[in-house]
Amino acid sequence: DTEVTQTPKHLVMGMTNKKSLKCEQHMGHRAMYWYKQKAKKPPELMFVYSYEKLSINESVPSRFSPECPNSSLLNLHLHALQPEDSALYLCASSQDFNEQYFGPGTRLTVT
Amino acid sequence: GENVEQHPSTLSVQEGDSAVIKCTYSDSASNYFPWYKQELGKRPQLIIDIRSNVGEKKDQRIAVTLNKTAKHFSLHITETQPEDSAVYFCAAHHYTSYGKLTFGQGTILTVHP
Repeated sequence: DTEVTQTPKHLVMGMTNKKSLKCEQHMGHRAMYWYKQKAKKPPELMFVYSYEKLSINESVPSRFSPECPNSSLLNLHLHALQPEDSALYLCASSQDFNEQYFGPGTRLTVT
Repeated sequence: GENVEQHPSTLSVQEGDSAVIKCTYSDSASNYFPWYKQELGKRPQLIIDIRSNVGEKKDQRIAVTLNKTAKHFSLHITETQPEDSAVYFCAAHHYTSYGKLTFGQGTILTVHP
């Protein structure tokens, strides 16, 4: 089952709010990813976790804080976001860094 | 770092025709090349991939070819159908990149009935 799930599907938040995005996979994959995608653009990598440890941070602003509580879960904590952070946030997972399977995404709107 | 160029940016074909999308990459050490299909409002879906030790791979109506010398790879879709309409992204990965895919800018494919 190549299924990655994400909640919520949609999120609207103000610039002073704190919210979290959640991602789950039950394929036993060792790597998990957060991507940001703007309309009509390719996904942009934000973070990579390998064996529950952060291995890549693509110079993402500190208002985005990732967390990997266990091998199946990945969270993205959001705080003091800007309107330009509005985008589709995609989670992905893979066994060996190659075949990455994406979740359905969270459509985030910052007002 | 790696750079991936994808062409064309838009492609319009009639149902039943073939479609070809081409990508070139800059890092000769890249060794994994996936293709993703993204329908409007949906997730990117891995549709086919190829590793650097293989020259061609087919899966029903889709195929990918890789030319390592020229550093380019292509997606071929035969007998196109309206449901093939989507944005297609190519990507390249080097094994030392620890999962960082470098994506092309995407091709909007429209298949007219």
